[in-house]
Amino acid sequence: DVKVTQSSRYLVKRTGEKVFLECVQDMDHENMFWYRQDPGLGLRLIYFSYDVKMKEKGDIPEGYSVSREKKERFSLILESASTNQTSMYLCASRSSAGSPLHFGNGTRLTVT
Amino acid sequence: AQSVSQHNHHVILSEAASLELGCNYSYGGTVNLFWYVQYPGQHLQLLLKYFSGDPLVKGIKGFEAEFIKSKFSFNLRKPSVQWSDTAEYFCAVNARDSNYQLIWGAGTKLIIKP
Repeated sequence: DVKVTQSSRYLVKRTGEKVFLECVQDMDHENMFWYRQDPGLGLRLIYFSYDVKMKEKGDIPEGYSVSREKKERFSLILESASTNQTSMYLCASRSSAGSPLHFGNGTRLTVT
Repeated sequence: AQSVSQHNHHVILSEAASLELGCNYSYGGTVNLFWYVQYPGQHLQLLLKYFSGDPLVKGIKGFEAEFIKSKFSFNLRKPSVQWSDTAEYFCAVNARDSNYQLIWGAGTKLIIKP
């Protein structure tokens, strides 16, 4: 069974801090994604990666960056956290285009 | 732009009632269709998917969905719900022409009263 592990379940950070959210998958998946989930808005794509060292902007990349140095790990970085980045962050992976996504448990980030 | 519309944001039903959650999408080409479910405190997981073939697909826990191409719809159904079906349900669509990026509906929160 595919396992997608997000390093933290809950995080509380202060405005202006640099925040790292880590995600690791154990199924050698090519594609990895970062979403944020907000009530009534569904899932919005922040960044995605189809291969190591490759990254593409999603629908809402502003204020975020990502890193994919190894195939199994995809990190989301908030360069300078702001209160409007308080949200649930979901990491997902899939084996190839068109395949279903496998999600981690999510990180609930609160920025105060 | 492609979009996915889920008609109801909140649905409350009693146990044993029948369920139908609507999902419509706006895209004219070949699509893959998904329903995901998020139980309280758990991660999002795949409920069922349609890629091709029989437009009536069956998923886990007694759920099914019907793809009606002419209506651009992929409604989720269950004949008799249980309290354990309380969850948030998301419809999602991807298309070959858009490099298989998933477009998500806003989600439907389903509450089943015991």
